[in-house]
Amino acid sequence: EVQLVESGGGLVQPGRSLKLSCAASGFTFSNYYMAWVRQAPKKGLEWVATISTSGSRTYYPDSVKGRFTISRDNAKSSLYLQMNSLKSEDTATYYCARRNYGYNYVGYWGQGVMVTVSS
Amino acid sequence: VQMTQSPSYLAASPGESVSISCKASKSISNNLAWYQEKPGKANKLLIHSGSTLQSGTPSRFSGSGSGTDFTLTIRSLESEDFAVYYCQQYNEYPPTFGSGTKLEIK
Repeated sequence: EVQLVESGGGLVQPGRSLKLSCAASGFTFSNYYMAWVRQAPKKGLEWVATISTSGSRTYYPDSVKGRFTISRDNAKSSLYLQMNSLKSEDTATYYCARRNYGYNYVGYWGQGVMVTVSS
Repeated sequence: VQMTQSPSYLAASPGESVSISCKASKSISNNLAWYQEKPGKANKLLIHSGSTLQSGTPSRFSGSGSGTDFTLTIRSLESEDFAVYYCQQYNEYPPTFGSGTKLEIK
């Protein structure tokens, strides 16, 4: 059974940093592109980062480019999201996502972790 | 690509059929997925490629459309179908989602 379990969320002040982790199991992690998707309270879903199987290629939308860094450790079947210079508008539930082969849609989602950016 | 989903709220009774619309601001071919969100559970992929049911999706779900206009139809609603549904385009980066449709029991 595919499982994606996020951790590392919490309350952080504006301008500070936070690192999210996602532990993957039930599949060969190194075979899949992975992603982070977020949902702000009462707002829609937003795709925030994608990483290739080896980690050599990453993609970000303009809203987080230069502030967020996605990375992975295939030996540990783990995905990460380093978030720097956090803003109040980054407040959201962050979901770890397994991208389907070859296409930017999500085959499996984690249950999400909440990040609140507030002073 | 902006995705406009409607209605945002839908009330129906078990046994009824419902349809949810998703419109893209430009052609996305058939590069559209539908997801189901339920409290306390991970989101679930229902349909990809506009109309291809993901393994495990009940046959009462169907997707149609291509280009800019897409529809998710659920026939003979069951109690487990009352949830929030999202569409998502993956024709262009970044992938973008509709705003969601909450399906509630009437």
